[in-house]
Amino acid sequence: DAKTTQPTSMDCAEGRAANLPCNHSTISGNEYVYWYRQIHSQGPQYIIHGLKNNETNEMASLIITEDRKSSTLILPHATLRDTAVYYCIVRVSIMNRDDKIIFGKGTRLHILP
Amino acid sequence: EAGVVQSPRYKIIEKKQPVAFWCNPISGHNTLYWYLQNLGQGPELLIRYENEEAVDDSQLPKDRFSAERLKGVDSTLKIQPAELGDSAVYLCASSWGGTTDTQYFGPGTRLTVL
Repeated sequence: DAKTTQPTSMDCAEGRAANLPCNHSTISGNEYVYWYRQIHSQGPQYIIHGLKNNETNEMASLIITEDRKSSTLILPHATLRDTAVYYCIVRVSIMNRDDKIIFGKGTRLHILP
Repeated sequence: EAGVVQSPRYKIIEKKQPVAFWCNPISGHNTLYWYLQNLGQGPELLIRYENEEAVDDSQLPKDRFSAERLKGVDSTLKIQPAELGDSAVYLCASSWGGTTDTQYFGPGTRLTVL
């Protein structure tokens, strides 16, 4: 089973910030939070990841709570092309050969014109 | 830089027929993954290779599925014989294999078994 809980779907107006929540209350100290998204008929695309600190890149920002039990992915200015399924994943470093990525069902984000 | 290449993109076969999918990872990526994605679900790992070694094939149904990565570069996933329930998208991903192991996915092969 996935180690994360996400809302099934969300809507966001174009040009607004899209805030996608994720609960991972059983996360371990050595587990990272990853976000991927999957646009229709494409393979998943890496967005961002973090361990403890907030992270930002050209695509999004990742806010991780101090207790690390939840996080929020922020798309600062959503466009229609951001319509996709967003997956929140927790995993240990690849150095643990027993680790598996478990995607879950993700959040279906609709950007409304 | 070319991304992960998969072929074919679409395949339609009758049940009990064999089928094969091919994946060419990003150049220099040592780790290669095959995933299965059913409609409305997230991808599920079938097998992971580190170079030519299958380090995790615990989710691969070995009675009908097989995979190989003979030279540690491209890979083939085979189903023989295919069943109706095998209809799904088969995704290939690769990664450098470093500590954070970001995976890059191909577009997938959509299999329909009639």
